[in-house]
Amino acid sequence: EIVMTQSPATLSVSPGERATLSCRASQSVSSSLAWYQQKPGQAPRLLIYGASTRATGFPVRFSGSGSGTEFTLTISSLQPEDIAVYYCLQYNNWPPWTFGQGTKVEIK
Amino acid sequence: EVQLVESGGGLVKPGGSLRLSCAASGFDFSKAWMSWVRQAPGKGLEWVALIKTTPDGGPTDYAAPVKGRFTISRDDSKNTLYLQMNSLKTEDTAVYYCTTNLYFDLWGQGTLVTVSS
Repeated sequence: EIVMTQSPATLSVSPGERATLSCRASQSVSSSLAWYQQKPGQAPRLLIYGASTRATGFPVRFSGSGSGTEFTLTISSLQPEDIAVYYCLQYNNWPPWTFGQGTKVEIK
Repeated sequence: EVQLVESGGGLVKPGGSLRLSCAASGFDFSKAWMSWVRQAPGKGLEWVALIKTTPDGGPTDYAAPVKGRFTISRDDSKNTLYLQMNSLKTEDTAVYYCTTNLYFDLWGQGTLVTVSS
């Protein structure tokens, strides 16, 4: 089973500043990496797939990068509506599909 | 409108059973791989089970904690996904989401399952 590790657990960022979230896989997952945004009381929503392809409806300030075992989600200019927990998922070696434990993004 | 709507959650005693449903609309359900993902209160996301399309033979996969207790199935004529949960444990308490395809691109709103005496 591939273990996904996200860091940091909580990220405090001032409005307009850059937020950088990391996700590491215990072995290579190629580019089969997705990111999800989950706001309080809501279902997760696909944000990024294929490590870097932005899903429909998300603004360009969200970007994903990486391959192999190291991945990054960047929010170039944090907005108040971006407050959420962000999860990564590997879908290269399954079953099982495995998620990271999440990074909570909050306003500083 | 493309959507998934889960139902069937509720309170059940340890050792009991429950069947969840997920009604799909707005897309070709018969061509979609479907999964259940759960989230325990205040915790992260955990994949539970997958069912492929019927033309693929409809094979299923399960996470280790639920294998032998849960059964995923689908009825393409009703555009509905199911999760039969037997021998429920307190640690199965969670919101259960249905989701689509290889990288979970569409999610329902979830249904809460509480296992408690």
